[in-house]
Amino acid sequence: DAGITQSPRYKITETGRQVTLMCHQTWSHSYMFWYRQDLGHGLRLIYYSAAADITDKGEVPDGYVVSRSKTENFPLTLESATRSQTSVYFCASSERSDPYEQYFGPGTRLTVT
Amino acid sequence: AQTVTQSQPEMSVQEAETVTLSCTYDTSESDYYLFWYKQPPSRQMILVIRQEAYKQQNATENRFSVNFQKAAKSFSLKISDSQLGDAAMYFCAYQGAQKLVFGQGTRLTINP
Repeated sequence: DAGITQSPRYKITETGRQVTLMCHQTWSHSYMFWYRQDLGHGLRLIYYSAAADITDKGEVPDGYVVSRSKTENFPLTLESATRSQTSVYFCASSERSDPYEQYFGPGTRLTVT
Repeated sequence: AQTVTQSQPEMSVQEAETVTLSCTYDTSESDYYLFWYKQPPSRQMILVIRQEAYKQQNATENRFSVNFQKAAKSFSLKISDSQLGDAAMYFCAYQGAQKLVFGQGTRLTINP
């Protein structure tokens, strides 16, 4: 199906383990984003990418790594998961950096024990 | 840095009534966009309405309308004829030269 998908939808992992959250979009949008959602904070930007092989930090990048070898994929890796990274993670995409609508994926609920 | 503030953590309204959700923002930019997103229990983020700062006319989408006060940096959302399906978290968001900045959200409950 066309759109933006995230996998897995739910993940439980242990402290110190590496975890990768996947994001895939079928629109060939240039821009992709990763957000985390925590109670009382709304959504906060972790990393974003303007195009393949171009990434940049957002508001809360520490502890996360991203890559973008293909336009349609934007994986987010927690290299050594911590309990503070328990959150709901959203991927989004948009056509360009101007203030146009961002299309959000369904989210991944990550629990770090 | 830009900030977005939603001062109402929770709101409730009777079905078929009208409710207004508040949002204020802080910015020194002159060109920007403002958005209201709805997040139902499914967690999907759904764009409800958007407003371009250069437009004086308030945006309207069916039962949803905004009151955009640029000088006061205020951007409230009015929902008319509230329906049970409107129950959700609502997020106000700002986008200027930097990336999208969200408020903390308002949980809206619809009472039948």
